[in-house]
Amino acid sequence: SYELTQPPSVSVSPGQTASITCSGDKLGDKYACWYQQKPGQSPVLVIYQDTKRPSGIPERFSGSNSGNTATLTISGTQPMDEADYYCQAWDTSTAVVFGGGTKLTVL
Amino acid sequence: QVQLQESGPGLVKPSETLSLTCTVSGYSINSGHHWGWIRQPPGKGLEWIGSISRSGSTYYNPSLKTRVTISGDTSKNQFSLKLSSVTAADTAVYYCARDSGSGSTDNWFDPWGQGTLVTVSS
Repeated sequence: SYELTQPPSVSVSPGQTASITCSGDKLGDKYACWYQQKPGQSPVLVIYQDTKRPSGIPERFSGSNSGNTATLTISGTQPMDEADYYCQAWDTSTAVVFGGGTKLTVL
Repeated sequence: QVQLQESGPGLVKPSETLSLTCTVSGYSINSGHHWGWIRQPPGKGLEWIGSISRSGSTYYNPSLKTRVTISGDTSKNQFSLKLSSVTAADTAVYYCARDSGSGSTDNWFDPWGQGTLVTVSS
């Protein structure tokens, strides 16, 4: 079965750039998307099809995907960005796959 | 504005069947898109359960496939989840969401319902 691997945690200072990675076999050949989940809330889509931002998502959120790694980048990270982030992709054998999630701490 | 709302029992006994319904407002499930169920055990990550297309075609997580049934009711603009033979490991917050996928290529879930906690316990 297909698997996506994320670091359990990432820390960033306010105003700096945060990068969260998601690794999978030939992930760059697939589309990746990203969700933000704050405590007690439902996940919110922040990036889809590798690089696209849904309406209402701030421009500081961006994505890339190449080789075996997709990356969510948050530029000028704000305290409100502190949350869990999940990557997700589609695989022909497993269908929908989620990464294990990354806790982003802004301190 | 599309909104989704999960409903169903918050407590299910072991070996019984978990049944949840997702009511969609602001968009007809017959108009397009697929519709999915995702769950999240307390303190853990997200797990896709399965999705249904507007035509009623379904596809499921291979690890849950033998126990899952997803169905749709276009007259009520709802879709439902049944998970049989539940154990404590099925305790989770269950979310429904609109699935952008076609069942054969990439997809994403947007928006999501608020989620409902289902506890499996005697």
